[in-house]
Amino acid sequence: ETGVTQTPRHLVMGMTNKKSLKCEQHLGHNAMYWYKQSAKKPLELMFVYNFKEQTENNSVPSRFSPECPNSSHLFLHLHTLQPEDSALYLCASSQDPSAPSYEQYFGPGTRLTVT
Amino acid sequence: GQNIDQPTEMTATEGAIVQINCTYQTSGFNGLFWYQQHAGEAPTFLSYNVLDGLEEKGRFSSFLSRSKGYSYLLLKELQMKDSASYLCAVRDSNYQLIWGAGTKLIIKP
Repeated sequence: ETGVTQTPRHLVMGMTNKKSLKCEQHLGHNAMYWYKQSAKKPLELMFVYNFKEQTENNSVPSRFSPECPNSSHLFLHLHTLQPEDSALYLCASSQDPSAPSYEQYFGPGTRLTVT
Repeated sequence: GQNIDQPTEMTATEGAIVQINCTYQTSGFNGLFWYQQHAGEAPTFLSYNVLDGLEEKGRFSSFLSRSKGYSYLLLKELQMKDSASYLCAVRDSNYQLIWGAGTKLIIKP
């Protein structure tokens, strides 16, 4: 148990659907992250929130829309996705994104398949 | 550009020792992390190195040479449960984590 939960664990959606991924951390951390993990590729950082404020948006297409209502919850809203968006979406949290030694704690991920 | 290189896959025998290498080229350096990820599970933190040298933690050790842009993760007394992917990540000058693609370690009896 890592203290970071994600729902759903698996999601299959069509290209015209709208869905949301949810992440919750029970660790009292200040920062939360969304990553995309594709097979045999490095983790791609998508969004960073620090104290509910978005601090990073790494050129992510607008069909991905994050929401962070408080320091414990993070959502990723999905609409009109493409098949190449199929991947494992990982949520993570940490104490302070600017502190070098703080590790990130990951959730189990949502396996997304876009048909 | 920034780059982290690690072998795609390695195979080792139960009870043996294996060394997983990671080389990096990043804009700045604020530490190097190793994570373990079992198939279908979350990555979990293994180690953090910011100074040169060896950090030992039970069966796992991690080494760093900043001048060479090089690290390795050493796993001793391998167990079947060590079969997993091992991810190397470097925190750059902007405190962003730059990730390698991971090394899939297969342990054979």
